[in-house]
Amino acid sequence: QVHLVESGGGVVQPGRSLRLSCAASGFNFRTHGFHWVRQAPGKGLEWVAVIWHDGSQNYYGDSVKGRFTISRDDSKNTLYLVLDSLRVEDTAVYYCARDLGSYDLGTSYFDYWGQGTLVTVSS
Amino acid sequence: QSGLAQPPSVSGAPGQRVTISCTGSSSDIGAGYNVYWYQQLPGAAPKLLIYNNNNRPSGVPDRFSGSKSGASASLAITGLQAEDEADYYCQSYHSSFNSHVIFGGGTKLTVL
Repeated sequence: QVHLVESGGGVVQPGRSLRLSCAASGFNFRTHGFHWVRQAPGKGLEWVAVIWHDGSQNYYGDSVKGRFTISRDDSKNTLYLVLDSLRVEDTAVYYCARDLGSYDLGTSYFDYWGQGTLVTVSS
Repeated sequence: QSGLAQPPSVSGAPGQRVTISCTGSSSDIGAGYNVYWYQQLPGAAPKLLIYNNNNRPSGVPDRFSGSKSGASASLAITGLQAEDEADYYCQSYHSSFNSHVIFGGGTKLTVL
């Protein structure tokens, strides 16, 4: 049974950093790309970042590019997102999601999602 | 950059049929990219409902169906049930945006 479990969220001041984790189980982690998608309170879904199945490439949304870093540790079946230079507008629930398609072919979609972890940026 | 356009809300009585539209452009849906639909129940994570325009994952009732035409797509729900009350999001891929993965703004379905 596929499980994705995020952790690491919390309350942080503007300008500070945070590292989110997404622990995966129940499938072959190494064969999938992964994404982070966020949802601000009461708002819709916003794509954040993607990492290739082999970790060779990653891409970011315009609103987080240069501040967030996605990575993975296949030995731990874990996906990460480091959030630097946090802003108030980064406040959201952050979901990790498994890609069943291919980002470079324009067919990315998400068959499993974690339960999300809330990041609140406030002074 | 803007995403896909969805109506903010739709409603229907139990047993009725409702549709939710998702309008894109010649650079996303109209360029031939597939459309995906997700259901988000209150307080829960999104769940894949439709993939590749009109396919249902295992376990999704056949009351849910998807279609695509030109630069638009639709999600249809027949035989509305109270448990269908949720937010629905469409998703596709944009050829030009840096954020290639794009979502619709979401549609709140209310079962009257």
